[in-house]
Amino acid sequence: NAGVTQTPKFQVLKTGQSMTLQCAQDMNHEYMSWYRQDPGMGLRLIHYSVGAGITDQGEVPNGYNVSRSTTEDFPLRLLSAAPSQTSVYFCASSYSSGPRGPYQPQHFGDGTRLSIL
Amino acid sequence: SQQGEEDPQALSIQEGENATMNCSYKTSINNLQWYRQNSGRGLVHLILIRSNEREKHSGRLRVTLDTSKKSSSLLITASRAADTASYFCATVGTSGAGSYQLTFGKGTKLSVIP
Repeated sequence: NAGVTQTPKFQVLKTGQSMTLQCAQDMNHEYMSWYRQDPGMGLRLIHYSVGAGITDQGEVPNGYNVSRSTTEDFPLRLLSAAPSQTSVYFCASSYSSGPRGPYQPQHFGDGTRLSIL
Repeated sequence: SQQGEEDPQALSIQEGENATMNCSYKTSINNLQWYRQNSGRGLVHLILIRSNEREKHSGRLRVTLDTSKKSSSLLITASRAADTASYFCATVGTSGAGSYQLTFGKGTKLSVIP
């Protein structure tokens, strides 16, 4: 049982490049989400999914795209990287008992540290 | 926008002392969760308290919730150097988009001096 696995752990991109941050969980969790963490800003929600085939925007979705074709995987795509997207990105997952949503404890990956030059 | 706001932003105590962190939030919640983050790592869940609960314990951790004041506190008793970390509160709303989003505060950075 690996929990939530994020890859890569570190990445450096040039402005304008695109890339996909991978997130996989092996706990059969319905709810998955992506956050970015910037100094002094806490964690801000980018996108989330309440189940396979269902995604929605969080607080800071611009410049990012997600899809959820399977329960296990929830990749985050940067369409055209900008220096403002330099951050640490965290993926999280949880069960959704009863109402669909993050009503249970979240399991976090160890993050992807992304620098955009 | 951030729902929860922790106070203080930073806290430094001696080993063996108690540490208290506070969290205030703005709208009605379904539950409130506390997390710990060690440097360079992901967040780890500590305690979840539901809106109809007033107090919860887990080992050396005690969480209280006052929905009338829209506030919560996390108490760590007999602190250890290993408790050095950032602590975050997070809330789940009761309706609309807020009920599908876990919104975090900016955190309290706790330093426990041996």
